[in-house]
Amino acid sequence: AQSVTQLDSHVSVSEGTPVLLRCNYSSSYSPSLFWYVQHPNKGLQLLLKYTSAATLVKGINGFEAEFKKSETSFHLTKPSAHMSDAAEYFCVRPFYGGSQGNLIFGKGTKLSVKP
Amino acid sequence: KAGVTQTPRYLIKTRGQQVTLSCSPISGHRSVSWYQQTPGQGLQFLFEYFSETQRNKGNFPGRFSGRQFSNSRSEMNVSTLELGDSALYLCASSPPGQTYEQYFGPGTRLTVT
Repeated sequence: AQSVTQLDSHVSVSEGTPVLLRCNYSSSYSPSLFWYVQHPNKGLQLLLKYTSAATLVKGINGFEAEFKKSETSFHLTKPSAHMSDAAEYFCVRPFYGGSQGNLIFGKGTKLSVKP
Repeated sequence: KAGVTQTPRYLIKTRGQQVTLSCSPISGHRSVSWYQQTPGQGLQFLFEYFSETQRNKGNFPGRFSGRQFSNSRSEMNVSTLELGDSALYLCASSPPGQTYEQYFGPGTRLTVT
């Protein structure tokens, strides 16, 4: 089955501390993978993408993600959280074949940042 | 380059009415996808258009329809609105040859009363 699982529905961190948002994918092969961010009442913004080049991918706003095939994971990290990072984050992968659309979205992780 | 634009941003309709939402993709993008986002169901795929043809369709009733024009602008229509159609409707466009890399608009917030 082609799917992504975001392991935490809600993560809370203090400003200035590291952020870790976890995502696992299931597939018999290594797909492309994306992280999107959605601020309240806004559309989704592409943070970063993995397309089988470097396994450590750098994105916007200081975020990065590491593709680990052995763990089927694509966790999103940031060394130091900022108040403006408070948002919902979606791990996304392509869906190959069928009529479910081209992308499969995780259920989202809501990130709260405390002052 | 200008991003994906959607109009209107907010809409309030009454049950039984119909509504048309518009999406203008990023210049040069020919693929446009539509999604419905609700707190309970999350993001659900509605349909995708490429070169004025519907290329993919999700599991929504026939009340939901769409089209794409020759300039790649797209519209979606919902007829006989139901309370459950209240949602954020998102449009996304993709660069040529990059169907899976989608750039989203700000969405249209539809409230059905």
